[in-house]
Amino acid sequence: EAGVTQFPSHSVIEKGQTVTLRCDPISGHDNLYWYRRVMGKEIKFLLHFVKESKQDESGMPNNRFLAERTGGTYSTLKVQPAELEDSGVYFCASSQDWGPPQDTQYFGPGTRLTVL
Amino acid sequence: EDQVTQSPEALRLQEGESSSLNCSYTVSGLRGLFWYRQDPGKGPEFLFTLYSAGEEKEKERLKATLTKKESFLHITAPKPEDSATYLCAVQAGGGNKLTFGTGTQLKVEL
Repeated sequence: EAGVTQFPSHSVIEKGQTVTLRCDPISGHDNLYWYRRVMGKEIKFLLHFVKESKQDESGMPNNRFLAERTGGTYSTLKVQPAELEDSGVYFCASSQDWGPPQDTQYFGPGTRLTVL
Repeated sequence: EDQVTQSPEALRLQEGESSSLNCSYTVSGLRGLFWYRQDPGKGPEFLFTLYSAGEEKEKERLKATLTKKESFLHITAPKPEDSATYLCAVQAGGGNKLTFGTGTQLKVEL
């Protein structure tokens, strides 16, 4: 079974540009999550989709970040315009269900974003 | 606000030297405590979920335990391939989000 995949693995952009990150969850997983780790800090939650609906977006830092999950399959996270402090590693995770034991979140390899 | 603190930040062991990693937490309504392993350049890899105080789970050389305030990850007779960062995360309240600690970086030497 294929795991969570993310594209690209690395992205280097200039401040003010736009970047779009993509996540493909494990097939059949209705729940999709975005997290990020900035330098030296812990991994922090951004938002949670259930199918195509945003269940919890309490971790989104500001309105420069836009997440979508059209059709309830893959998701994109757009940063527009990017700022220096957006640099970090963005992880996507998916889980089959809400409650145990199917609530385990499986993570992708991450996208390393560098804003210059 | 949910808080997770892991200690030590880094740990160096000789092969075969058993030890424990600590994860202490402060949450409202713990639903689950998760342990992950992360290798450099990769995403967190799921190890265990613990749901209630007193619960224990084992996998190869790893054993995770849970109390009402903390969790321990015991590593018995570690090997160099156990070298990684071990992350603890909690899920609390009504949502599914994970709150992570900063991790323990483990290095096992020959």
